This record gives sequence, structure tokens and C-alpha cells, in this order.
Amino acid sequence: EVRLVQSGAEVKKPGESLKISCQGSGYRFSSHWIGWVRQMPGKGLEWMGFIYTTDSDARYSPSFEGLVSMSVDRSISTAYLHWSSLKASDTAVYYCVRAGHYSSSDLWGQGTQVTVSS
Amino acid sequence: DIQMTQSPSSLPASIGDRVTITCRASENIDNYLHWYQHKPGKAPKLLIYAASTLENGVPSRFSGSGSGTDFTLTISPLEPEDFATYYCQQSYSTPMYSFGQGTKLEIK
Repeated sequence: EVRLVQSGAEVKKPGESLKISCQGSGYRFSSHWIGWVRQMPGKGLEWMGFIYTTDSDARYSPSFEGLVSMSVDRSISTAYLHWSSLKASDTAVYYCVRAGHYSSSDLWGQGTQVTVSS
Repeated sequence: DIQMTQSPSSLPASIGDRVTITCRASENIDNYLHWYQHKPGKAPKLLIYAASTLENGVPSRFSGSGSGTDFTLTISPLEPEDFATYYCQQSYSTPMYSFGQGTKLEIK
């Protein structure tokens, strides 16, 4: 089965660091970039950026540049989204996605809930 | 940045109806326009890519059209499982693949 499986929900305090993961299976991981999408509580979908799984070249949406970083471990077909210092405003569900035709997002992870609260 | 504007924001409809959601881009995006369905607690699902190509497994009651700046998603006839929020997304402007603000399709 082709799928993306994300790590579980996280509860963190402001200022803490966090890395969430997204593991691909059932397909050739290096053939598709992995993107990330944020959904804040009660809001719509926001595109964060994507990372090429071949060379780990990451491209960030301007709204997220410098706020998060993306990485890949091709040996275990896993992509990561990392925060060095969380804020309460990072509370959201984060989805990883796989590149499809015309750079659509044809496969989605189940989402990771991140809650940042003191 | 390319802005994507969907209308309406909310759409009351009944089973069996024909509904249309529109998506307008702030500049030309050719046909780099995709539609997603999102139900609460679930991951979004790709319905249509490249403005009018149905993703594998998506029922034929979904259709998309448009190019340039104006696009539409049509669902006909509406089935009970279609009540959800729908988003358009452009992938013309790398890396800012912006989404529309969403259209909530509700039971009338």
C-alpha cells in the first residue's frame, strides 16, 4: 500500500524544539518531493514548502522561511519538519504530502497535531 | 505571491443538486490548479489536478474546468458523502503553492 505515515501528536512548551516525521512506503521515495501543509485551529490549509528527496534541497514559502526547517533521511524514506524554538502560534495540524502530477499533492499523511502551551 | 480566491465561502445544498465552486487566481497560472476535498479529522484528498484531470478513483460526478485565472469545480449530482470543505491550490509559482481559503459545502 502506498502511504505516508506521520509521527504522533506532540504537546510542547514555548521555546522548546521539535521534529516531526513522515515516512513513505509502497513507492520509490526518491521519485517525489515531500511537502508540508499547516492547518491552524478553525482555519484553512497553508502551504509551507517542500523538499526534494533526491538532494535534500528545501524550498520554503516566504511565510515560513526561517521559522521551520525541512530535512530528509533517504535511508529510511523519511522526511522531517523541525522547529528550534516553538511558539504558541505553531499550534496546528501539520500534514506531509507527496508530489503528484503538475506538483499537485496526490498523497497525504494522516496529520500530526502539535500543541504549544505553557 | 499569487493569491487564490474561492467563492462562495459557504454553500448550502441538497442531495442530488448540481453545485459549482469557483477559484480565481490573482495572475495567470495556466492549468496548474488542483482541487482537494477535506473532511473533519481526515487528511485532505486530491480530486482533480491540472484543472480538469480526475485523480484515479474519484467519482465522475466531480469535474473541473478553467485555465489562466478562472477555474470551477462542479459536483453533480451531490451525494451525502460530498459534504466537506473544498480547496483549490495553484502550483505555478514555486515554491509558494498557495491554497484558496476553502468552500464549506453544507447540507441545506
